[in-house]
Amino acid sequence: EAQVTQNPRYLITVTGKKLTVTCSQNMNHEYMSWYRQDPGLGLRQIYYSMNVEVTDKGDVPEGYKVSRKEKRNFPLILESPSPNQTSLYFCASSPSTTTDTQYFGPGTRLTVL
Amino acid sequence: KNEVEQSPQNLTAQEGEFITINCSYSVGISALHWLQQHPGGGIVSLFMLSSGKKKHGRLIATINIQEKHSSLHITASHPRDSAVYICAVRSVETSGSRLTFGEGTQLTVNP
Repeated sequence: EAQVTQNPRYLITVTGKKLTVTCSQNMNHEYMSWYRQDPGLGLRQIYYSMNVEVTDKGDVPEGYKVSRKEKRNFPLILESPSPNQTSLYFCASSPSTTTDTQYFGPGTRLTVL
Repeated sequence: KNEVEQSPQNLTAQEGEFITINCSYSVGISALHWLQQHPGGGIVSLFMLSSGKKKHGRLIATINIQEKHSSLHITASHPRDSAVYICAVRSVETSGSRLTFGEGTQLTVNP
């Protein structure tokens, strides 16, 4: 089944404890992206990757890192999480930036205490 | 002012009604997306438009590039259509690589 998976789905952590949210797609998509969703602010793009070893900042990259060593994986790294990073995170992929459908992962609800 | 504005923010309808959700944007775009977010949180892509009109089942999406406006229509609405509908645009300034989202329209369809 074609899908985007994220792990973990739920995470409660404490300020400053490094964490990684994994994202994997099995559709051989070139483009992958991370978004966060907050009440009243909607979805905002954090980072995106147009292919292996090619990543770039979105609208809200501060406090996040990403890597794209393999086509299928695009992990989101929070080196020192803070409470303002409490949010719902979505990973998405598409064949390329110009094609139609973005496939979204199920979301990761992160709480930073 | 946000680059992408949706209206209305909230919409309540009776089953069977025709529904319209609007999206206006202020930048040059290469494409516009309509997304549906289910009550459980999952997001599904409904349409991508660069011109004209697309139809899928009871859903119709239109775009007017000159007026920088798009509409999502739902015919014969049903309670299962209750969801948040989100408009997103790919700006030409970023070569289509970034998406900017509206805040979403919460639709509730009552039986």
